[in-house]
Amino acid sequence: NAGVTQTPKFQVLKTGQSMTLQCAQDMNHNSMYWYRQDPGMGLRLIYYSASEGTTDKGEVPNGYNVSRLNKREFSLRLESAAPSQTSVYFCASSETGTGNYGYTFGSGTRLTVV
Amino acid sequence: GNSVTQMEGPVTLSEEAFLTINCTYTATGYPSLFWYVQYPGEGLQLLLKATKADDKGSNKGFEATYRKETTSFHLEKGSVQVSDSAVYFCALSSQAGTALIFGKGTTLSVSS
Repeated sequence: NAGVTQTPKFQVLKTGQSMTLQCAQDMNHNSMYWYRQDPGMGLRLIYYSASEGTTDKGEVPNGYNVSRLNKREFSLRLESAAPSQTSVYFCASSETGTGNYGYTFGSGTRLTVV
Repeated sequence: GNSVTQMEGPVTLSEEAFLTINCTYTATGYPSLFWYVQYPGEGLQLLLKATKADDKGSNKGFEATYRKETTSFHLEKGSVQVSDSAVYFCALSSQAGTALIFGKGTTLSVSS
């Protein structure tokens, strides 16, 4: 099925470890996003890529890096994981310009940092 | 800055009850407005949208009207079902090329 694929679905890390969350979309969308979801906080934007070759910080970028590998793939890297990064991470994609289009979300990565 | 405020939950209803989830926004210009739904263990799905004032978005029995004079986009459904139990997010997009801004979400629980 067409959509946004995230891997892995679950991950447990020790404090200080690094990992990369993968995201790929097959809808030929130009824009891609990474959000984190925490109880009582809704969704907060970490980074986004308006088009291939560009990335921009969102509301909560500290402790993260991103790579827009090509038009399909947008990865999120935690260089040195901290317990505060325990969260559910969602990748999303959209056509260029969100004015008249919605996002398509992946099913999420549940990350626990111990 | 741009922001979205939703009523706090949880909202607990009996099957066939009327649902309203309030959403108000602050934005410059003429944003597009969205409602997303998240079922347990899943990602968010677009439920409905409205792109200009007085537009009504509708889907699966849910409706919301873009009210610029009150800066609101309240979600309504005339008769909820147990299967509507989920978290509902209001969101806005203020201009092309920028990311959606989400409210904190409202949990709906419907019992039979």
